[in-house]
Amino acid sequence: DVKVTQSSRYLVKRTGEKVFLECVQDMDHENMFWYRQDPGLGLRLIYFSYDVKMKEKGDIPEGYSVSREKKERFSLILESASTNQTSMYLCASSLDRGLTEAFFGQGTRLTVV
Amino acid sequence: AQSVTQPDIHITVSEGASLELRCNYSYGATPYLFWYVQSPGQGLQLLLKYFSGDTLVQGIKGFEAEFKRSQSSFNLRKPSVHWSDAAEYFCAVVWMDSSYKLIFGSGTRLLVRP
Repeated sequence: DVKVTQSSRYLVKRTGEKVFLECVQDMDHENMFWYRQDPGLGLRLIYFSYDVKMKEKGDIPEGYSVSREKKERFSLILESASTNQTSMYLCASSLDRGLTEAFFGQGTRLTVV
Repeated sequence: AQSVTQPDIHITVSEGASLELRCNYSYGATPYLFWYVQSPGQGLQLLLKYFSGDTLVQGIKGFEAEFKRSQSSFNLRKPSVHWSDAAEYFCAVVWMDSSYKLIFGSGTRLLVRP
């Protein structure tokens, strides 16, 4: 069965902390994505990666960075967490460059206090 | 700029009634189109997709969608809604330019009246 696993379902962090959100897929997919989901705004693309060590900015990259050192793992980093980064974060992967179904993790609900 | 618009934030239908959820996109490149569903507390699941060919595509759970290039639309339909269809529905697009970004609309929450 296809699986995208996010390391935490819930996280609470303090303002100014460096936060790491981890995502692992077991499908040998080339593409991986990070989104944040907020009510009324849908899913907004933060960063995506189509190969190891490759990354491209999405629509809202400010305040975030990513790392993809291995094909199966895509990490989202909040360099200095702020309260406006409180959100649900979703990781996804797909086989082709967006041409096939994207599989999603269960999400990480991050609260920054 | 690339954008996906779902104009209806909420839609309420009675069980057994028909349903149409709207999706429009803007950008010049060839789009590949998707509809996903997110049930309460669940992850996103693909309902259907359109890449090329017949503009009316069938998906899971009795859903279908029609691609209309002239209207830049990809509306989702179901002839008879079941209570279990209550969920949030997202339209998504990948544009076949160099970016290959997967962009989602803001979602439509479907409520089903008994």
